[in-house]
Amino acid sequence: QSVLTQPPSVSAAPGQRVTISCSGSSSNIGNNYVSWYQQLPGTAPNLLIYNNNWRPSGIPDRFSGSKSGTSATLGITGLQTGDEADYYCGTWDSSLSAYVFGTGTTVSVL
Amino acid sequence: QLQQHESGPGLVKPSETLSLTCTVSGGSIGNNPYYWGWVRQAPGKGLEWIGSMYHGGDTYYNPSLKSRVTISVDTSKNHFSLKLDSVTAADTAIYYCARQDSGLSSSWPSWGQGTLVTVSS
Repeated sequence: QSVLTQPPSVSAAPGQRVTISCSGSSSNIGNNYVSWYQQLPGTAPNLLIYNNNWRPSGIPDRFSGSKSGTSATLGITGLQTGDEADYYCGTWDSSLSAYVFGTGTTVSVL
Repeated sequence: QLQQHESGPGLVKPSETLSLTCTVSGGSIGNNPYYWGWVRQAPGKGLEWIGSMYHGGDTYYNPSLKSRVTISVDTSKNHFSLKLDSVTAADTAIYYCARQDSGLSSSWPSWGQGTLVTVSS
């Protein structure tokens, strides 16, 4: 079981906004950068957010990241059917000496 | 732009060694500040970090797999490899090789397409 907890699923209508939480501890999120990954069905993960709130080139500004204390949040605005995917947070855990990924969240567009 | 892809057997027998290679293209594996690693995903499950390495040879493994994992690099062939010993059905997964930005704690901006490895007799 992962040390980073995410809700199993979130859903919203097209055009709406969703947020995905990633809850950890001081040994991971609290003292390290968080990144977020989108995994479309049948494909490899794709980096959406790095260093808590930076977007790689090519990632639309509909995607945003934030961090507060030992939790991080991914926000998606203007939800599209193409956003249906699994989303994972990730960070380094200093106590485990391991890179850890969150439990994953499935986003559904109603 | 650096890219990478995995290769290796898709079927491994229980108790044997899983061996995969990740070939890097678009640049030298040894001429940059990046870390290179392996992440796996069991069917219907989440992502699990296996380990990472720097081209100088430093390696870092997931404590839960450390006793069975070896990651090595061959800069002359511009590839790095994964060996996982004594596999069981629980090691059945899609294995991804990927690049980390500039350190163990950094993000993973580039992934291979993944290769499915099934452990079965």
